[in-house]
Amino acid sequence: GAVVSQHPSWVICKSGTSVKIECRSLDFQATTMFWYRQFPKQSLMLMATSNEGSKATYEQGVEKDKFLINHASLTLSTLTVTSAHPEDSSFYICSASLLTGTKNIQYFGAGTRLSVL
Amino acid sequence: QKEVEQDPGPLSVPEGAIVSLNCTYSNSAFQYFMWYRQYSRKGPELLMYTYSSGNKEDGRFTAQVDKSSKYISLFIRDSQPSDSATYLCADPTYSSASKIIFGSGTRLSIRP
Repeated sequence: GAVVSQHPSWVICKSGTSVKIECRSLDFQATTMFWYRQFPKQSLMLMATSNEGSKATYEQGVEKDKFLINHASLTLSTLTVTSAHPEDSSFYICSASLLTGTKNIQYFGAGTRLSVL
Repeated sequence: QKEVEQDPGPLSVPEGAIVSLNCTYSNSAFQYFMWYRQYSRKGPELLMYTYSSGNKEDGRFTAQVDKSSKYISLFIRDSQPSDSATYLCADPTYSSASKIIFGSGTRLSIRP
């Protein structure tokens, strides 16, 4: 199956610093990637849709200046959490969309656990 | 009404039991659906997808659709402790940007 790599898997940072998370589709090109946030024992919450070569589309309530998304190539999207604060501590997961015929399948990265001190 | 609804559980069954996980959907136009499995602190992984016209079997897993009641089921036979995870059903919408609507997930625990 298609493989999506997400890096880093775990990051600890000080309050006020910025953190960048990378999401790569290793064996396919992904025009569209997605960023999710997940709190413990809760469901996935879609933050934004990342489109190659254009601006990301953010879901309601997600601050685009806080969560910067860049999708500069067909295999790489990055999420930067700017001026991170403890309330930004969460599990962030990316996915890449693979369209095959009439099917649209999302393949997920392993996730990044962000801890802001 | 949410587009995909799922009982959050938790659901706990003994090893070897048959597990039934269910979702209801509201999108009458959908043509296929997917089941994902998510282990704790990992990203979801695709288990299987199936078109709404019938059932699909893959090893110990069987996905079933009842279009008349808009009900989606995933059955796990001979359940194993390694099946303990959260299971999410997913409805690919045809709105912009290939967005997929996920159910809230059902937490499953298989007791040895």
